[in-house]
Amino acid sequence: RKEVEQDPGPFNVPEGATVAFNCTYSNSASQSFFWYRQDCRKEPKLLMSVYSSGNEDGRFTAQLNRASQYISLLIRDSKLSDSATYLCVVNMYPTGNQFYFGTGTSLTVIP
Amino acid sequence: DTAVSQTPKYLVTQMGNDKSIKCEQNLGHDTMYWYKQDSKKFLKIMFSYNNKELIINETVPNRFSPKSPDKAHLNLHINSLELGDSAVYFCASSLGDISNQPQHFGDGTRLSIL
Repeated sequence: RKEVEQDPGPFNVPEGATVAFNCTYSNSASQSFFWYRQDCRKEPKLLMSVYSSGNEDGRFTAQLNRASQYISLLIRDSKLSDSATYLCVVNMYPTGNQFYFGTGTSLTVIP
Repeated sequence: DTAVSQTPKYLVTQMGNDKSIKCEQNLGHDTMYWYKQDSKKFLKIMFSYNNKELIINETVPNRFSPKSPDKAHLNLHINSLELGDSAVYFCASSLGDISNQPQHFGDGTRLSIL
């Protein structure tokens, strides 16, 4: 079983829509969680960290559910510029400072 | 003032050659990483390294070897390149002792084997 699993999509949504991505992780000892964004032919860039109590950054909301071992990302009022691949990342520290990436979820926002 | 920089950005070479990719970070991080992203876009960890230990993904062939002259640099040397090595290689760094700190990535080296 993979350490981190995501639905690859693609998700095609109209501008202004709300879209949600989920990600599950296998190791209950996982300590820290992140969402990254990767544009075509670019490097992954940190979108936001995911905190236990959930956190929001503008149109983006991240949630963590430790009991069910999943994290989620909600994007409200989608913009064309949100089109990208969204990567779920889990850090297993302190069992080993290794970051495990999901395969990514592709999002296309349509005019 | 690029945080994580890799060179070269593009590398085209023939099968069987030996090549190196360089990575430098100026963030003061103590852990650096190499990832491989293949045509299916999956980011696979190859190595993580800090001043204490090297962690090697056991699936990485021993033709790949990381070399770190100091904690701001982690180069990747590849011997006897094969067609299957064609991919984008990303370097990253993080504050290794603080688990809630994310990784920062370089902009990738696109390796093509002829």
